[in-house]
Parts: sequence; C-alpha cells; structure tokens
Amino acid sequence: DTEVTQTPKHLVMGMTNKKSLKCEQHMGHRAMYWYKQKAKKPPELMFVYSYEKLSINESVPSRFSPECPNSSLLNLHLHALQPEDSALYLCASSQDPPAAQPGAQHFGDGTRLSIL
Amino acid sequence: ELKVEQNPLFLSMQEGKNYTIYCNYSTTSDRLYWYRQDPGKSLESLFVLLSNGAVKQEGRLMASLDTKARLSTLHITAAVHDLSATYFCAVLIQGAQKLVFGQGTRLTINP
Repeated sequence: DTEVTQTPKHLVMGMTNKKSLKCEQHMGHRAMYWYKQKAKKPPELMFVYSYEKLSINESVPSRFSPECPNSSLLNLHLHALQPEDSALYLCASSQDPPAAQPGAQHFGDGTRLSIL
Repeated sequence: ELKVEQNPLFLSMQEGKNYTIYCNYSTTSDRLYWYRQDPGKSLESLFVLLSNGAVKQEGRLMASLDTKARLSTLHITAAVHDLSATYFCAVLIQGAQKLVFGQGTRLTINP
C-alpha cells in the first residue's frame, strides 16, 4: 500500500468530457507533483506545487488544469482531452521541495486514463 | 539540459547471476534516486544517493554514486525472480525541483 492515494484508479472519458483526478497524502509533505507516464516510458513531470503554490508548469497544454486546495490534496482537472493524452497519471509528494530536502518522492498508484 | 541515460535498457538474466545497471547523467547534480516499477504499478523508492562515493545496500541490491564521473550503478547480486521489474534512476536538477528520469531498465530474471 502506498501513502499517496489517487482516485480513480481507472478513467475512460470522451474528448468532450470534463473530469478530475484526485491525489491525497497525509505525510505532512509540502511539495506535490503530477507526472504523465506512457507505456514503457519514464514518468514525465507536468506540474509541481510547493507550499500549495504552483512552482513548475512544464509547458503542459491548458486542457490540463492543476489545483492544490490544501497541503494534503492535489487535483488535476481534465477538459477536451485528446487520444494521445491516454496514459498513466502519477501523483507524488515529497517532504519539502527537493532542493531543500533530500528525501525521495513518494508516488501514488496512478490513474490509468483512456481517451476515446 | 540535463540528460539521464541508463544502460542497458533491457536485461534478461538467470537466477543466481550478478549484473550491474549503469546510469549516466550530463550535468552536475548531487542527488540521485533509484526507483523500481512493477508492470501496471507505481514507482517504489529504492535508494537516495546524496554525495560522492555514497553506497547503499538493501538485500541483493547495491547502489553507488560517483558525482565526478556523473555515474551511478545499481548492482544485483545472486538475482532472484522477484527482482524482475523496471528500474529507473532519476537525477535532481541542481537548484530546481525537477527530477529527470532515465529511460528505465527492464529486468527479467529467469529461473
């Protein structure tokens, strides 16, 4: 069992739908991350939140909209996605921004997203 | 731009054998991480290497870091089937929050 919880585990949506992915951690971590992972590829960073503020956006298309309501929660709002957005979306958290603290990022189990 | 390269990308080995996975990176960093990923699963943190010459061991896995050579190794001793997985190294960009992953090494251990 991981300490970072992601819901849902699987999501199938049409290109016109709006849905949200959710991530929760209760380890007191102050940095949270969204990654996208295609099959047989490494994770690619999408967003970083540090102390509930967006600190990194890796030029992600605006159809992906992150939100950090509080230090324990991270959402990823999805709208008008494309078939190439089908992937495993991983949430991670770390004790502090990694530049300040050396601890590893802890990953959730991911949401497997399929766009029809 | 930081680049992280793993070698080999695919490794099939027999139980009981030893082997090493290599991770090279292109710019200065003093933080390197090794993760394991089983098919369809999340990433599990294995090792955090923070300084030149750091060596860490857990069971049949041992990781080391040479920051001068920009090289980390993950050594597998007397492999067992349970170690079959994809192994990623990841390097922290200095002064930033970004972790850059290698391509991953898919390890298959045959009885």
